[in-house]
Amino acid sequence: EDKVVQSPLSLVVHEGDTVTLNCSYEVTNFRSLLWYKQEKKAPTFLFMLTSSGIEKKSGRLSSILDKKELFSILNITATQTGDSAVYLCAATSYGQNFVFGPGTRLSVLP
Amino acid sequence: EPEVTQTPSHQVTQMGQEVILRCVPISNHLYFYWYRQILGQKVEFLVSFYNNEISEKSEIFDDQFSVERPDGSNFTLKIRSTKLEDSAMYFCASSPMGVQYFGPGTRLTVT
Repeated sequence: EDKVVQSPLSLVVHEGDTVTLNCSYEVTNFRSLLWYKQEKKAPTFLFMLTSSGIEKKSGRLSSILDKKELFSILNITATQTGDSAVYLCAATSYGQNFVFGPGTRLSVLP
Repeated sequence: EPEVTQTPSHQVTQMGQEVILRCVPISNHLYFYWYRQILGQKVEFLVSFYNNEISEKSEIFDDQFSVERPDGSNFTLKIRSTKLEDSAMYFCASSPMGVQYFGPGTRLTVT
């Protein structure tokens, strides 16, 4: 059965800290890995990763995929209170199925 | 910027009633999805839809669920006879290929 595991499930940091969120996956016919940020309602897209070892960056956020070890990390540097959210990782297959992990709840304290 | 829209934002219904949740995907997208998220739990895949037919569905998507694209723009999820455990946030998403764009969700409360 396809599955996605995220760790930690919950994380509390102070503003300015750097955090690393982990996602491991087991998906048949893996296609890509996506990261989303979920605040109050719908998930919003952050990154899509399809190739190993190529870092994607957007401002203070960056992510990388390791297809050999079947994991991805999401880094957030110089965290701000606005980064507080649940960060979801999802693995997709060529069958267009998306399998979501449970999310990491990040709380950034001022 | 185009976005996925969903109506209603909140639906309250009694157990055993039928509900229809509506979504308008982004217009040039080809793939459509429904997910649900029970309060405090993870996002769960329900069904994907492509070329006017279901392409994949999960174990959750049993005979009480159905999807339609009745008029080329709307994408609907029907729950025939709601149960208490159907209470959840239902998200629609659409995708050109790969990245999914989520709608704001419909909160379904079954009493």
